[in-house]
Amino acid sequence: GENVEQHPSTLSVQEGDSAVIKCTYSDSASNYFPWYKQELGKRPQLIIDIRSNVGEKKDQRIAVTLNKTAKHFSLHITETQPEDSAVYFCAAKKGPLGDKIIFGKGTRLHILP
Amino acid sequence: DGGITQSPKYLFRKEGQNVTLSCEQNLNHDAMYWYRQDPGQGLRLIYYSQIVNDFQKGDIAEGYSVSREKKESFPLTVTSAQKNPTAFYLCASSDTGSWSVTEAFFGQGTRLTVV
Repeated sequence: GENVEQHPSTLSVQEGDSAVIKCTYSDSASNYFPWYKQELGKRPQLIIDIRSNVGEKKDQRIAVTLNKTAKHFSLHITETQPEDSAVYFCAAKKGPLGDKIIFGKGTRLHILP
Repeated sequence: DGGITQSPKYLFRKEGQNVTLSCEQNLNHDAMYWYRQDPGQGLRLIYYSQIVNDFQKGDIAEGYSVSREKKESFPLTVTSAQKNPTAFYLCASSDTGSWSVTEAFFGQGTRLTVV
């Protein structure tokens, strides 16, 4: 079945530096790749997503890149701020007509002062 | 707040008891999901449903059961067969019928503790 691997499991970066989280997926039919942010004690919330017909997408300080050939996608956060500290999950899904959303195991991001 | 509601927020269960976690959504989404979250394990899929009266097992379905009698409701029962039920349970829904809307919305979660 579909599997999503996420690395690293923990990441510490100095405030103002960039953070990169990487994911790989196993099912080449996957075509939707969302990223979720979960703050302590709260529900995961979507921060950015990318579809298989696009190689890169950017939203202010957050960007996601997708390499379909290699079956991996990455989250890039630039100019990190304290409020970026959270757990980040990548996911993969075949859509739109069904199938499950498979999540990676998450990356705990610490922004150091 | 997101249109998907889980209850209760905290639940305590005695060993050997079945308990049911509620999940209701008013987003008119076809698909609903149940995930279990343990420290360092990420989100593991328990069950999912793409349509009313139909559901499929996820990766860790043993010891759990679900029903989907109504589009807006997807309750999860944690049975006594689940040997280690203490965890944080998250329900989610998404619109599988539209290419442009496939984001999954999560409920606030239920923290289940076996006492």
